[in-house]
Amino acid sequence: AQKVTQAQTEISVVEKEDVTLDCVYETRDTTYYLFWYKQPPSGELVFLIRRNSFDEQNEISGRYSWNFQKSTSSFNFTITASQVVDSAVYFCALSEEMEYGNKLVFGAGTILRVKS
Amino acid sequence: DTGVSQNPRHKITKRGQNVTFRCDPISEHNRLYWYRQTLGQGPEFLTYFQNEAQLEKSRLLSDRFSAERPKGSFSTLEIQRTEQGDSAMYLCASSLGLPRGAEAFFGQGTRLTVV
Repeated sequence: AQKVTQAQTEISVVEKEDVTLDCVYETRDTTYYLFWYKQPPSGELVFLIRRNSFDEQNEISGRYSWNFQKSTSSFNFTITASQVVDSAVYFCALSEEMEYGNKLVFGAGTILRVKS
Repeated sequence: DTGVSQNPRHKITKRGQNVTFRCDPISEHNRLYWYRQTLGQGPEFLTYFQNEAQLEKSRLLSDRFSAERPKGSFSTLEIQRTEQGDSAMYLCASSLGLPRGAEAFFGQGTRLTVV
């Protein structure tokens, strides 16, 4: 079965530090998609990135960067120069094919606390 | 606001009562999903609609749960005879059918507390 593991339950950093959130996944599919979502205290899951399994190019978006390594089944997320507004719960997710569509399988999330 | 909208945001109910939640997806999205999130966990899939057809249901969705999406627009999730174990955040998401693997956009959720 599909599985996503986020081993870091909670991380605390001081503002301006870099921080990496780990994500390891298991899948039987040859083609799949990986996602990162941010959940601030308001509760809404905010989409950050989607990566498909046949594109291992790393991606950078402002202070955010993602490292996808198929060989180790990992999709790690780095925030450079963290800010207090980055404090949230971050979820890694994997698409799973169903008979008539696909669903997301989420990890348990990593709570990130950025202190000023 | 053109995002996914959920109502109510919070619901407190007594055990045994029925509750209904509403989700209004992004208008052009034909796919709609319900997820449940308990404290300290990631969201778990409950059910999925493509237009008005409910195509997938999780084993988590007991017979006390029913969801509808009349006319392929908004959706409702009803829980009958609520139990304390139903206390959770219920999240709705919508997406386009293509491209495959299109990202889902989530609403702010309905937090249910059963007392």
